[in-house]
Amino acid sequence: GEDVEQSLFLSVREGDSSVINCTYTDSSSTYLYWYKQEPGAGLQLLTYIFSNMDMKQDQRLTVLLNKKDKHLSLRIADTQTGDSAIYFCAETLPGGSYIPTFGRGTSLIVHP
Amino acid sequence: DSGVTQTPKHLITATGQRVTLRCSPRSGDLSVYWYQQSLDQGLQFLIQYYNGEERAKGNILERFSAQQFPDLHSELNLSSLELGDSALYFCASSALGQGFEDTQYFGPGTRLTVL
Repeated sequence: GEDVEQSLFLSVREGDSSVINCTYTDSSSTYLYWYKQEPGAGLQLLTYIFSNMDMKQDQRLTVLLNKKDKHLSLRIADTQTGDSAIYFCAETLPGGSYIPTFGRGTSLIVHP
Repeated sequence: DSGVTQTPKHLITATGQRVTLRCSPRSGDLSVYWYQQSLDQGLQFLIQYYNGEERAKGNILERFSAQQFPDLHSELNLSSLELGDSALYFCASSALGQGFEDTQYFGPGTRLTVL
């Protein structure tokens, strides 16, 4: 079945690293995504990883995928107050309509 | 700014009423998606159109309908509204409407409040 789970909140101090975790249940997931939603705005695609990869890095963002544990994480280095937002994990399945299934989102709060 | 526009930004109406939400996709994008975001259900996919035709259907109620017009804008119609329909409704667009790397760009959403 399809189910993507995330913890609801994460609070970090400015300058620290943030790690947002996600677990998914469908082992056939092909692409996994991280989206960011700022207050009053729609979702913005941050990055995605193909399921045959273990890691992807893009500037301050590092995505780690553990297929055995069905665990995806997003690490934000040197977290800034502007990173405060809701972060959504999503997966798409092969052979389907390419519509992502989203987690509930993790609210990241960055303290100065 | 994603390039996807949605109107209106806010809508307040009463139970039993009908409303229409409008979405204009990014220039050049052929596919439009509608999502509902609520506190209890999270972000739920409703329906997708590609170049005027319905392509995929998600958890869309029978009271809801949508269409995509020749100029590629889309409308989501919600009827016989219930309190539980209060939510943020997002529209997204993408170029191809298929493929894992076909990025969806989200609009700012319409906040619907049913009283």
